[in-house]
This record gives sequence, structure tokens and C-alpha cells, in this order.
Amino acid sequence: KQEVTQIPAALSVPEGENLVLNCSFTDSAIYNLQWFRQDPGKGLTSLLLIQSSQREQTSGRLNASLDKSSGRSTLYIAASQPGDSATYLCAVYTGANSKLTFGKGITLSVRP
Amino acid sequence: DAGVIQSPRHEVTEMGQEVTLRCKPISGHDYLFWYRQTMMRGLELLIYFNNNVPIDDSGMPEDRFSAKMPNASFSTLKIQPSEPRDSAVYFCASSLWIWRVGGPGDTEAFFGQGTRLTVV
Repeated sequence: KQEVTQIPAALSVPEGENLVLNCSFTDSAIYNLQWFRQDPGKGLTSLLLIQSSQREQTSGRLNASLDKSSGRSTLYIAASQPGDSATYLCAVYTGANSKLTFGKGITLSVRP
Repeated sequence: DAGVIQSPRHEVTEMGQEVTLRCKPISGHDYLFWYRQTMMRGLELLIYFNNNVPIDDSGMPEDRFSAKMPNASFSTLKIQPSEPRDSAVYFCASSLWIWRVGGPGDTEAFFGQGTRLTVV
């Protein structure tokens, strides 16, 4: 059974800092990994999708990496801003039937 | 496309009542997922469909929960009878699986805004 872990559960940083959010998964036989952002009381917004054959994806100030063999992914946020404050969740697709398993997320607070 | 559409956005009901949550996936998507989110347990997959057929309902907590997908553009999640511990945010998501010759497929999940259910 696939398990996805995100540690720590919460993180507070000053504005401008570069930061890394971690995600680990137990079953390396994934098809892809997706990072989401969730604002309080809102739905999930897809940030980045990394296919199993890829090592990283970039979008603006965000860079996500994937090391499938070690069961790890990181989301790098450059020059953090207060508007980046949200919960970040990673999810992996496992199995031919496209089952998406989530971590519990990391709640990020960027202080002005 | 307007994205995944869920209704209602908020639902408050009394214990014992039947609750029906609705979802319209993105047109053309062949997978539909129902998730439940709580502070304690995070996002839990309840059930998912492929081409309107339920594939895995092992996450459905009890027989009080049922889900249907009568056609490619509509799905419901029903709770009967509802209990206070069912209070949570319920999300629907859809995706399109693209198979690639000689390699793994490619897909990206898109979520609705969720239905916040409160059972009193």
C-alpha cells in the first residue's frame, strides 16, 4: 500500500527566503507525482506534475524534483513571498488504474 | 472548460438525514475521484471511477456511503443516514489518462472547490 509522507507539517519562514518542501513515498513504482497548493477553505490547485521518467519540472519560482528510486520529491520555492502562504500537498499516481495517494501536506507561512 | 464543478458548496444537515453531493467532471476526462478531507486524516480517497465504472471503493467508510456515475458528465456521493463524524470537506477530481507507446502514461488531476458538509 502506497504511503506518502510530508514532514514537517508546518513551516514558517521570513519573506525572501528560499525553501524546500519534502515529500517521500514508500512504493517507487509510480507513474507520476503531482504537487498541489491549497488555500484555506479552497480547493486544490495543481502546481507541477513530474512524470516518472523525468527528474524535475519548473514553473516560475517553483522547481520540483523527483528521485523515484529513493522515493523522494522536493518542491523548491525561490524568494518566498507572503502570497506563497498555503498548504502544499504532494500526491503520487500508483498502479495501472491511476490511483492518486496524497500526503497530509505542509502548511507554509511566509512572514512579511 | 469551467473545471470540475461541485454542488452544493456548503451543506448543513441534521444527523440521520440523507445527503447527496454532486460532481461534474471536466469534459473528456475518463477518471473521477471522490476524496474526503479532515484535519485529522488529511485527504482520503473514497472511491474512483474509470469510464463511469467504479474501480476501487475500498476507501468508502461504511455502507452508509454510496457513489454513482450514471454518465460521463455526472457523479453523486450519497450518505444515508448522515452522522456528525461525516462532517468534512468532500472533493471531487477528474483526470484524463494518456497512454504512451512503450512507456508509462501521463495524467494530471484537477479538483473541484469542494463541498463543506456539516452534520449536526
